Amino acid sequence: EVQLVESGGGLVQPGGSLRLSCTASGFTFRTYWMNWVRQAPGKGLEWVANINQDGSDKTFVDSVKGRFTMSRDNAKNSLYLQMNSLRAEDTAIYYCVRDLSGGSCHWGQGILVTVSS
Amino acid sequence: QSVLTQPPSASGTPGQRVTISCSGSSSNIGRGTVNWYQQVPGTAPKLLIYRDSQRPSGVPDRFSGSKSGPSASLAISGLQSEDEADYYCAAWDASLNRYVFGTGTKVTVL
Repeated sequence: EVQLVESGGGLVQPGGSLRLSCTASGFTFRTYWMNWVRQAPGKGLEWVANINQDGSDKTFVDSVKGRFTMSRDNAKNSLYLQMNSLRAEDTAIYYCVRDLSGGSCHWGQGILVTVSS
Repeated sequence: QSVLTQPPSASGTPGQRVTISCSGSSSNIGRGTVNWYQQVPGTAPKLLIYRDSQRPSGVPDRFSGSKSGPSASLAISGLQSEDEADYYCAAWDASLNRYVFGTGTKVTVL
C-alpha cells in the first residue's frame, strides 16, 4: 500500500523556521517526482514546490522562493521542506504528493503549520 | 489569484448529472493536460481524473473528464450523496512555470 506520512508541523512564530518531512512507503520512491501542496484554512489548494527523481531539479512558487528549500533522501525514502522566515500567510496544511500531474498521483494526509505569535 | 477559474458551487439531486467547468488559457490547459481532484471535507484530496479524461483504478465511471482548447470539464452522472465534496482542476502553466489549481467547486447533493 502506498503511504506518504508528513511530520514536523506545528506552531512557530513569525520569522521562525520549520522543517517538514515526508516518509514514503509502498512504492519505489526514487523513481517519482515529488511535490508539496498547501491549503490555507478554508481556502483552496496551492502548489508550493516540486523536485525531480534525483533532486537535481527543483521549482518553487514565487511566494516562497528564497525562503523555502526542498530536498530528498532516496536512501531513506524521505522528502523534506525547509521553511525559513515564516510568515502568517504560510499558515496551512502542507501535503506531500507523489506524481501530482500524472496518473500515479497520491497524497499524504497533510500536516498543519501555524505561524503566529 | 488562481489562473484556472471554476464556478464556486454546483448542486443536483441524487441521480442527476452535474458538470463543472474549468477555464484556463493557452499557457496551461490549452498547452498540456488537466487533472481533477476530489476533496471530501476534512480529508486530503485524491486524484479523480488525469490526462484530461483518464480515470485511475477505483474511480467510478460516473466521473468523466473532457477538454476543449483552454477549457476543461468534469461531469458527474448519477449523482450520489458521497459525491458531496470540493473539486479542483489543475494543470502545469508554462508561462508561470508552476502547477496551478482551479478555484475549486463545492458540489452539494440536495
